[in-house]
Amino acid sequence: EVQLVESGGGLVKPGGSLRLSCAASGFTFSSYSMNWVRQAPGKGLEWVSSISSSSSYIYYADSVKGRFTISRDNAKNSLYLQMNSLRAEDTAVYYCARGGVAARPNWFDPWGQGTLVTVSS
Amino acid sequence: QSVLTQPPSVSAAPGQKVTISCSGSSSNIGNNYVSWYQQLPGTAPKLLIYDNNKRPSGIPDRFSGSKSGTSATLGITGLQTGDEADYYCGTWDSSLSAGHWVFGGGTKLTVL
Repeated sequence: EVQLVESGGGLVKPGGSLRLSCAASGFTFSSYSMNWVRQAPGKGLEWVSSISSSSSYIYYADSVKGRFTISRDNAKNSLYLQMNSLRAEDTAVYYCARGGVAARPNWFDPWGQGTLVTVSS
Repeated sequence: QSVLTQPPSVSAAPGQKVTISCSGSSSNIGNNYVSWYQQLPGTAPKLLIYDNNKRPSGIPDRFSGSKSGTSATLGITGLQTGDEADYYCGTWDSSLSAGHWVFGGGTKLTVL
């Protein structure tokens, strides 16, 4: 069974940092692009970042560029999101999602259960 | 304001058919594949349609997708109360130098 499990969310003060992790299982992790998508409370989906299978291609939303860093460890079947200079507007559930085998995503499937990040003083 | 425009809400009776539109531009829908996602209350999104009109295994054929020019449509027939959810369209947008993914604002489906 293909499974994605996020961890690392929590409460952090504005300006602080947090590192999210996503553990993948049930598929050949190193063959797929991976992605982070977030959803603020009561709001819609917002794409955050994507990374290709070999980390050669990385993309960020303008809202997080320069503050967030996506990375992956294919040996550990894991995806990461380092979040620095956090703002209140970064408060959201962060989902990890598998993309296709192309350098950039054509779809997201499956999605993890999400991890909540709350930025508040 | 989302790059992709969806109606905020749609409704229909059980057993009926509903369509949800997703309008974009040549930099996104016009030149890239569209996918659709269903988000039931309190759960993570699920892929319903990919590559404009393909269904992943396990998705019933009551769900269909189409694309024409810079717009895409999700169709749901034989509506069930269990279909009440938020639905999102998404695609790649090539308007910026590096490109980025965009979602529609979401459409809340109510099955009356």
